[in-house]
Amino acid sequence: AQSVTQPDIHITVSEGASLELRCNYSYGATPYLFWYVQSPGQGLQLLLKYFSGDTLVQGIKGFEAEFKRSQSSFNLRKPSVHWSDAAEYFCAVAGTYKYIFGTGTRLKVLA
Amino acid sequence: NAGVTQTPKFQVLKTGQSMTLQCAQDMNHNSMYWYRQDPGMGLRLIYYSASEGTTDKGEVPNGYNVSRLNKREFSLRLESAAPSQTSVYFCASRPFGDRGRQPQHFGDGTRLSIL
Repeated sequence: AQSVTQPDIHITVSEGASLELRCNYSYGATPYLFWYVQSPGQGLQLLLKYFSGDTLVQGIKGFEAEFKRSQSSFNLRKPSVHWSDAAEYFCAVAGTYKYIFGTGTRLKVLA
Repeated sequence: NAGVTQTPKFQVLKTGQSMTLQCAQDMNHNSMYWYRQDPGMGLRLIYYSASEGTTDKGEVPNGYNVSRLNKREFSLRLESAAPSQTSVYFCASRPFGDRGRQPQHFGDGTRLSIL
């Protein structure tokens, strides 16, 4: 069955520290993978996407993600976190019509 | 640059009342979606419409109905609201085709409380 797992419900980092959010997927074919961010009271905004090719993809706001087929992972990273990055982050895998979302990781940033 | 517009933004209902959540997109997208978001459960698909004139059930369709009124609008109806339907509802749209490569675009949500 297709699924997306985000093992970390909450993560707290200090401002300026590096960040890695984990995402593991289960999908029968070549996955199309996405990371979205949700600020409080807002909808979801696309950070980045992976379809094929280079396994390291760059997104908005200084985020990047690395696709590792052997580990079925698509982890999101940022070298230096800003206070404005505090939000909830969702990983998703897309089929022809539907997405499957992970349960999200809530990021807290300490000043 | 409206994108996906949802109305209302907030609503409080009593158990048993009915309500329709409205969603409209101005990006000429073919596919539209309704999700609910509950703490710790991510986004769960209620219904989707791959193209105008078609609708299909998602993961949690019970207690809901949808109407794809035209290419722009996709409404979600609660016929007899229950407290378990208290949630934040998101509408999304995306272009059809390209086998899932197109990202979904989301509205800002409707926060629904059922007493």
